[in-house]
Amino acid sequence: AQKVTQAQTEISVVEKEDVTLDCVYETRDTTYYLFWYKQPPSGELVFLIRRNSFDEQNEISGRYSWNFQKSTSSFNFTITASQVVDSAVYFCALIDDNLFFGTGTRLTVIP
Amino acid sequence: EPEVTQTPSHQVTQMGQEVILRCVPISNHLYFYWYRQILGQKVEFLVSFYNNEISEKSEIFDDQFSVERPDGSNFTLKIRSTKLEDSAMYFCASKGVMRDTEAFFGQGTRLTVV
Repeated sequence: AQKVTQAQTEISVVEKEDVTLDCVYETRDTTYYLFWYKQPPSGELVFLIRRNSFDEQNEISGRYSWNFQKSTSSFNFTITASQVVDSAVYFCALIDDNLFFGTGTRLTVIP
Repeated sequence: EPEVTQTPSHQVTQMGQEVILRCVPISNHLYFYWYRQILGQKVEFLVSFYNNEISEKSEIFDDQFSVERPDGSNFTLKIRSTKLEDSAMYFCASKGVMRDTEAFFGQGTRLTVV
């Protein structure tokens, strides 16, 4: 069964637009952890954020913000005022017993 | 800052040859992982390793694959007889004891089977 679903395969936005990347997860555990990773064109995986299942407080870090809602099993990621350097593939991930990745969303920011 | 290192960064091998991909996890981490990413596709779980044994493996991780932690610092992935479809980026990751700790990823090894 798919543990992490990122329904948006590719998104293109014009620079300075806001963009939200969706992530829906599935787990039977009451304790679990969610992550977002960025994969720029160079290929490495860059950790962005983790959130545990007990903490539904939204988080903002600069232009990045995350909206965690247990009621809808979603952990969405918003980039405000997007920049060309934000162009990458973004992966949502879940840890219950193991670390499971979503299929990724390729974001292209057009100058 | 601690980091996971992988060598080589790029390996080209002939079909049927054995390859060993090497990873040095962060020293006090206890959970180790290998993932594969075929070009342009999703990151796929291969295997997890804890307490000197495999804790979970995916369907991809068949008898052609094996992992080892030979000396307490390295964590290796061996592919015995490579196939063209093994061409991918292979990522090693390690994680500390607590479940919610960040998984640190290496830079990846790009394997090209010709």
